[in-house]
Amino acid sequence: GAGVSQSPSNKVTEKGKDVELRCDPISGHTALYWYRQRLGQGLEFLIYFQGNSAPDKSGLPSDRFSAERTGESVSTLTIQRTQQEDSAVYLCASSPGRERDIQYFGAGTRLSVL
Amino acid sequence: GENVEQHPSTLSVQEGDSAVIKCTYSDSASNYFPWYKQELGKRPQLIIDIRSNVGEKKDQRIAVTLNKTAKHFSLHITETQPEDSAVYFCAASVTGNQFYFGTGTSLTVIP
Repeated sequence: GAGVSQSPSNKVTEKGKDVELRCDPISGHTALYWYRQRLGQGLEFLIYFQGNSAPDKSGLPSDRFSAERTGESVSTLTIQRTQQEDSAVYLCASSPGRERDIQYFGAGTRLSVL
Repeated sequence: GENVEQHPSTLSVQEGDSAVIKCTYSDSASNYFPWYKQELGKRPQLIIDIRSNVGEKKDQRIAVTLNKTAKHFSLHITETQPEDSAVYFCAASVTGNQFYFGTGTSLTVIP
């Protein structure tokens, strides 16, 4: 498809387990963002990738969170030893990059930690 | 870093009235200000944006104004309709860097 694709759309896991969330950006988009959105809350920045530059990880809430991106393609967000407070929708967005800032959002992954 | 504040958090208007949502930002280097609409259970969608080289932009019933001196920008929706009911987020960005979002405004348009 032409849009940002995220998988899975829903993930239920047990406390303490690791989870991996995937984001396929729009082809050719050099910038990729991960956000967390708790129920009824705003968008919380997690991490930002721009081309081959070092990612901006300043929004990651703890060392249990990490993300990788290979070149300008797929990104994975990994949460280790999940906690109940990690339950949220995780949104990915991509944009064409510098000087062209419009973000296109994926549908999100709804993570529920039991 | 940048700090974006958004007000009000909730807003109810009668159908046909106007709605105004305001945001302030702290980083004078911010130069791009998008607004997103998020319907219940759906992804945020860009509805309008403005860059720091203009003071106002309009698209049909939606307009955005920017005051760089005061570091605030506002979303104006005229002739509101029930389908405008959603959560609206403002954001600020320095081109090529991360986005900072407001906390959202839940707009309800009462038929």
